[in-house]
Amino acid sequence: GAGVSQTPSNKVTEKGKYVELRCDPISGHTALYWYRQSLGQGPEFLIYFQGTGAADDSGLPNDRFFAVRPEGSVSTLKIQRTERGDSAVYLCASSVGSSPPDTQYFGPGTRLTVL
Amino acid sequence: AQSVTQPDIHITVSEGASLELRCNYSYGATPYLFWYVQSPGQGLQLLLKYFSGDTLVQGIKGFEAEFKRSQSSFNLRKPSVHWSDAAEYFCAVGGYNNDMRFGAGTRLTVKP
Repeated sequence: GAGVSQTPSNKVTEKGKYVELRCDPISGHTALYWYRQSLGQGPEFLIYFQGTGAADDSGLPNDRFFAVRPEGSVSTLKIQRTERGDSAVYLCASSVGSSPPDTQYFGPGTRLTVL
Repeated sequence: AQSVTQPDIHITVSEGASLELRCNYSYGATPYLFWYVQSPGQGLQLLLKYFSGDTLVQGIKGFEAEFKRSQSSFNLRKPSVHWSDAAEYFCAVGGYNNDMRFGAGTRLTVKP
């Protein structure tokens, strides 16, 4: 079956612009996670959805970052007024449920470059 | 909150030699521990995970890891490294929502 997909694979934008990053989880997976991976670092947790609701958004760095999952499947990570420090690979993962240790399956990521 | 430390940024081993990658975690409750591998241009792939029971966990590609509560460690091992094992390795600890906290990673180079 299809794995987690993310679009676009690469996104280049200018400082101050708005961007949207999309994640299509594995069909039937109720839990969805967003992570950010900066160069030379491990993935950093941003937000977690169980179904349609954001169950934990404690990792979002500030109010410029927002994510939605309106129908409990596809999720969109939205970044307003982008800054150069937002440049990173944004990873999405999904799992069957949110009870540990359900395996999280990761997508290939979206590489965001803010000029 | 949970956290992970991977003390070694970069390790080089010869092909056929044994490998041990270190991981130390901090978590107040029983930890759920994971090792992932990331090859260039590839997504993160789960090697193995620990949640209870036997402290020696077997994973894919011949990897194993041992959970040692007294040392707060979950080191990854492989008896004989292959050139295709060259990659970045991440240890992670999972919270009660299955949200993971990753270490900074260890880059493995394999010498022929």
